[in-house]
Order: sequence, then C-alpha cells, then structure tokens
Amino acid sequence: DAGVIQSPRHEVTEMGQEVTLRCKPISGHDYLFWYRQTMMRGLELLIYFNNNVPIDDSGMPEDRFSAKMPNASFSTLKIQPSEPRDSAVYFCASSLRALQEQYFGPGTRLTVT
Amino acid sequence: KNQVEQSPQSLIILEGKNCTLQCNYTVSPFSNLRWYKQDTGRGPVSLTIMTFSENTKSNGRYTATLDADTKQSSLHITASQLSDSASYICVVSRNTNAGKSTFGDGTTLTVKP
Repeated sequence: DAGVIQSPRHEVTEMGQEVTLRCKPISGHDYLFWYRQTMMRGLELLIYFNNNVPIDDSGMPEDRFSAKMPNASFSTLKIQPSEPRDSAVYFCASSLRALQEQYFGPGTRLTVT
Repeated sequence: KNQVEQSPQSLIILEGKNCTLQCNYTVSPFSNLRWYKQDTGRGPVSLTIMTFSENTKSNGRYTATLDADTKQSSLHITASQLSDSASYICVVSRNTNAGKSTFGDGTTLTVKP
C-alpha cells in the first residue's frame, strides 16, 4: 500500500485566495483525520470522519475552514479566504478503527503571504 | 482538563548512548497511549501503542512503559543512532469521543556522532 497520500506537498498563496488540500487515505481504513501543525501550537486535530461522515469538527478554527469526504478514498480541506495565520503544515491521517494506530501522510506545507 | 506533558523539551546525546523520554497525562477516562516519531519534514510514524493493561511494549531499540496508576509513560531508546534524531510525540486517547486524542508538545532528540 502506498500509505496516505496528500497533495500538494507545498502550497504558496496570497491572502484572500482559496486553498484546497487533498488526501487519499489507506484503503479499508474507516477513520480519516485532518491535523494542523505549527511551532507554537504543535499538532492540533481539526476534524475527523468515520465512514465518510464528519464526527467532530470542534477543532476547525473558524468558518473559513471546511472539510468534505465525498467517498471512502478522498477528502478535501478547504480554506476560503486564506490568511497568513493559516500558514502551517497540514497532515491527513487514517486508521482502521477509532483507537488504533493512525497512519499519517507526508503533509502539505501551506504558506499564505 | 485533559493534558499531556512531555519532558524534557529537548535532549542532546552522543551516538550509542541510551536515553529516556517522559510523558505525564491527566486524560480520563484512559483508553490508550501512543508514541510517535516525527522526522523533520515528515509525518509522525507510530512506534508503540499501549492499553490500560499493558505496562511495557518494545519496537526494536524503542521500549515504552506505562504506569496507568500514576499516569506516566516513558520511552527508552537503547544504543542510539544518528537516525534517532527526531521529535517524539506522546498521544493519549480517551474512551469517549475516541477519535479525538490529546497530543503532547513532543521532545526533540538530537543524536550527535
């Protein structure tokens, strides 16, 4: 298995632009997680899905952030409009069950200027 | 409040030496504790996962211990190698809202030749 796949790996955009991050989880995994990592705040859970259904989005910073999982093999995290404080590394992870090992993707490094 | 605290924040050791990283948590009700290794520029990779009934688990040169009574865990690295240089993150999950874990800030380990 190729593991969790994320694209793009790097994204540089200007403030106010829309940004879409993509994730393909490991096949057969029921859970998908979106995290954000910064030096100041470490790893933060933004949202997670179970069988394509959003379960907890309490970590989503504000309405500018939205996430979807239209099918078991694809998820997106969208930021509209983007702001400089959104600059971070965004990780997608998947797991077979809720409390089991999570497999992380390589991350998307987002820079908003 | 559910918290995970790791110490030390950073550590420098010589190649071949052993070291121990600490993790204290207040997360309740406890479900499991995981240690991740994160290399610079990469996503975290799971090292061990322990439930309430397990007090030791090994993965090669990595040995994790768990004392559920005192809510403490440690990660011991034996005969360190240059490739062990990374950030080590302790993650604790609750029985409720199983997908939402609490992350420590990590310990940055540098192994020098």
